[in-house]
Amino acid sequence: SSGLTQDPAVSVALGQTVRITCQGDALKSYYASWYQQKPGQAPVLVMYGKDNRPSGIPDRFSGSSSGNTASLTITGTQAEDEADYYCQSRDNGDNHYVFGSGTRVTVL
Amino acid sequence: EVQLVESGGDLVRPGGSLRLSCAVSGVTFGDYAMHWVRQIPGKGLEWVSGITWNSDDIIYADSVRGRFTISRDNGANSLFLDMDSLRPEDTAVYFCAKQRGSNGYFSDEFDYWGQGTLVTVSS
Repeated sequence: SSGLTQDPAVSVALGQTVRITCQGDALKSYYASWYQQKPGQAPVLVMYGKDNRPSGIPDRFSGSSSGNTASLTITGTQAEDEADYYCQSRDNGDNHYVFGSGTRVTVL
Repeated sequence: EVQLVESGGDLVRPGGSLRLSCAVSGVTFGDYAMHWVRQIPGKGLEWVSGITWNSDDIIYADSVRGRFTISRDNGANSLFLDMDSLRPEDTAVYFCAKQRGSNGYFSDEFDYWGQGTLVTVSS
């Protein structure tokens, strides 16, 4: 099975823009989905498909993809965006699902 | 409001068994594929298993295949995970997650998650 690679951590100043990336062969075939997880809480879907936000997710979250890389961008980052972010996709070939290792976003 | 509530997590000895349950409300349960995802405390997410609406297609991660069994009861709006031959490395919070697409088959993303139930495998 293929894996998804994420940077372990990134920091961003309040109100600035941060881009979180996810790389993997599976992303050549499938879109990435993105989840936000705060300490002690369940993951929350924040982006899926080409660039789709579930109801209730602020429009400062956006998604993009190119080749084997997917990105989640937070524009005008707020303090409440501080969390772990995981990418996820279907897995090439074996009908499984795979998550990235997660990126911790710290808002300064 | 869609709610997923897991139960059944416990402390169990290596080699032991456990059954997890997930009660789903606020949605027509039988319309959706469902999954289990686990998370070792302080670590990342790992997909465990998935089941289509009619149980015709069931998939497992290599790490649990042959030891775990996923099932569902659409009449009771419930998802289950039977866990046998448990190992210390199975220690994790187990989440049930609902597939977003409503055709009942596997699609790409999980739109609702429960709060999780902790399974600890230790002697």
